[in-house]
Amino acid sequence: GAVVSQHPSRVICKSGTSVKIECRSLDFQATTMFWYRQFPKQSLMLMATSNEGSKATYEQGVEKDKFLINHASLTLSTLTVTSAHPEDSSFYICSARDFSGNTIYFGEGSWLTVV
Amino acid sequence: QQQVKQSPQSLIVQKGGISIINCAYENTAFDYFPWYQQFPGKGPALLIAIRPDVSEKKEGRFTISFNKSAKQFSLHIMDSQPGDSATYFCAASINSGYALNFGKGTSLLVTP
Repeated sequence: GAVVSQHPSRVICKSGTSVKIECRSLDFQATTMFWYRQFPKQSLMLMATSNEGSKATYEQGVEKDKFLINHASLTLSTLTVTSAHPEDSSFYICSARDFSGNTIYFGEGSWLTVV
Repeated sequence: QQQVKQSPQSLIVQKGGISIINCAYENTAFDYFPWYQQFPGKGPALLIAIRPDVSEKKEGRFTISFNKSAKQFSLHIMDSQPGDSATYFCAASINSGYALNFGKGTSLLVTP
């Protein structure tokens, strides 16, 4: 079946540094990918929607200059957390819509810890 | 603003019992209602989904009941097993390929 892969699964970075999380669709082309953030014991909150070859659409309250999203190909979207702070520590999950537009597949998530 | 309201927040069911989780929505444009299961530290996995043209969908031990007029839908887990212990999220979207609006989740514990 379709698989969405996220890398890294866990990352620890120092405050003030930037960290990049990759989201890949392994056996289908994803024209659209979604990035979510999930705090412990809470729901998934949509951060942004990225379409291949165009700028991401950010949800209200999400800083686009802090959370840089690039969707340069039909199989890869990246989320870069810039100038990370401890409050950015969270579980980041991506999902991808297959080219038929009918199904969304979720990645396994990436744990970010900022120390 | 939470577009999908989910209850209960937590649920304890004995093995073999029926687990029932309820969700309600306001946006009548929603036409795709999936349920996701999430284990700790993992991404959500699609369990079952329904569209408004049917009132019930069953897949194995999992059943979605949908009430369009009440704008409510629910997940029933029959013969609940300890391995079903996880967090369950309902969601809704305007189209199956669009961004999902998630409920707050229900933490299910099935006791032996």
